[in-house]
Amino acid sequence: AQSVTQLDSQVPVFEEAPVELRCNYSSSVSVYLFWYVQYPNQGLQLLLKYLSGSTLVESINGFEAEFNKSQTSFHLRKPSVHISDTAEYFCAVTLNTGFQKLVFGTGTRLLVSP
Amino acid sequence: DVKVTQSSRYLVKRTGEKVFLECVQDMDHENMFWYRQDPGLGLRLIYFSYDVKMKEKGDIPEGYSVSREKKERFSLILESASTNQTSMYLCASSLLSGQGAVFGYTFGSGTRLTVV
Repeated sequence: AQSVTQLDSQVPVFEEAPVELRCNYSSSVSVYLFWYVQYPNQGLQLLLKYLSGSTLVESINGFEAEFNKSQTSFHLRKPSVHISDTAEYFCAVTLNTGFQKLVFGTGTRLLVSP
Repeated sequence: DVKVTQSSRYLVKRTGEKVFLECVQDMDHENMFWYRQDPGLGLRLIYFSYDVKMKEKGDIPEGYSVSREKKERFSLILESASTNQTSMYLCASSLLSGQGAVFGYTFGSGTRLTVV
């Protein structure tokens, strides 16, 4: 079965600083990878996804993630964060065959301060 | 926009009560899911459904059941609520029976259930 590890439960950072949220996955077969974001008092929203092709994927609000098969990682990065990026971020994985149900990591809370 | 609506934002129930959490989606999605979200544990799948009247156990189904009598509605039932079921419950839906993860899940805003 596949699994996801997010080692950092909380990442504090100052506004306009770069940030990296780490995600490692475990699976014996090919997977699809996702990052979801949860703003306070809201449900989760899809931020970006890797299905195939280019290993670097980008979101519309400046986040990017790189799929690294050899290191089984899918880290999320942003070169300059804003206060509004304060949220909880979840990495998720699903198999690319059979029934596709998402398995989520434990989440990383990004705290951006002025 | 696809909407997933959970009927209650906050709910307080007593131990032993039968509790119904309702979820309705308006975009004709085949798949629906119930997760619970707890600090430090992330989201854990309770049950899912890929078609009307079809249901499958997720990773933590004990103490829960579900009902899907209509395509747009997926109900989570706590047969006899216990304090360890105090949690945030999130409903989600996706397209294409069994294959919708690639299109992303659409989540509701959640129901925060407190069992006292």
